[in-house]
Amino acid sequence: NAGVTQTPKFQVLKTGQSMTLQCAQDMNHNSMYWYRQDPGMGLRLIYYSASEGTTDKGEVPNGYNVSRLNKREFSLRLESAAPSQTSVYFCASHEARGYQPQHFGDGTRLSIL
Amino acid sequence: ILNVEQSPQSLHVQEGDSTNFTCSFPSSNFYALHWYRWETAKSPEALFVMTLNGDEKKKGRISATLNTKEGYSYLYIKGSQPEDSATYLCASNFGNEKLTFGTGTRLTIIP
Repeated sequence: NAGVTQTPKFQVLKTGQSMTLQCAQDMNHNSMYWYRQDPGMGLRLIYYSASEGTTDKGEVPNGYNVSRLNKREFSLRLESAAPSQTSVYFCASHEARGYQPQHFGDGTRLSIL
Repeated sequence: ILNVEQSPQSLHVQEGDSTNFTCSFPSSNFYALHWYRWETAKSPEALFVMTLNGDEKKKGRISATLNTKEGYSYLYIKGSQPEDSATYLCASNFGNEKLTFGTGTRLTIIP
């Protein structure tokens, strides 16, 4: 049982390049989330998807797009990477029924030069 | 943006000692309070989800309490061990599914 799987684990990009971070969960959860983690800032929500076919902005959505491809997969795209997007990105999923915790992937460490 | 605040930011505790730290949150529209344990180079792992005023939860040497009327939760660790070294995050939902996270308390256990 893999839980939440993120790829890649590490990536270095040049300013202006684009890339997509992939996330998949095998727990049949309805809700999925993308966070970024920066020193002293905690986890900040970028985008989330409450169910297949829906996406909503979180606290820091600028410079990102997302796709909820199906119930399992939720991808995060940087169209034109900027140094300010250097961060560790976490995907999480959540069973929306009841008061359930979020389950996190191992993170993607992204550096923009 | 609704703020969830944690204190202290960091804490050094001698092995064997007990410790506690605080999570404060707005009490209006409260839905649930989550505690996560986050080890370096790993992903956050859920410890507790609490919803009711006066709730107390326990997992081994770690326990948590919740006061929704005054907007705070305490996390307690009894008899700290080196493996307890981690960042402890709290987060709250305010009437919807989205969690607002605090910045965490970084706990270091000194052998």
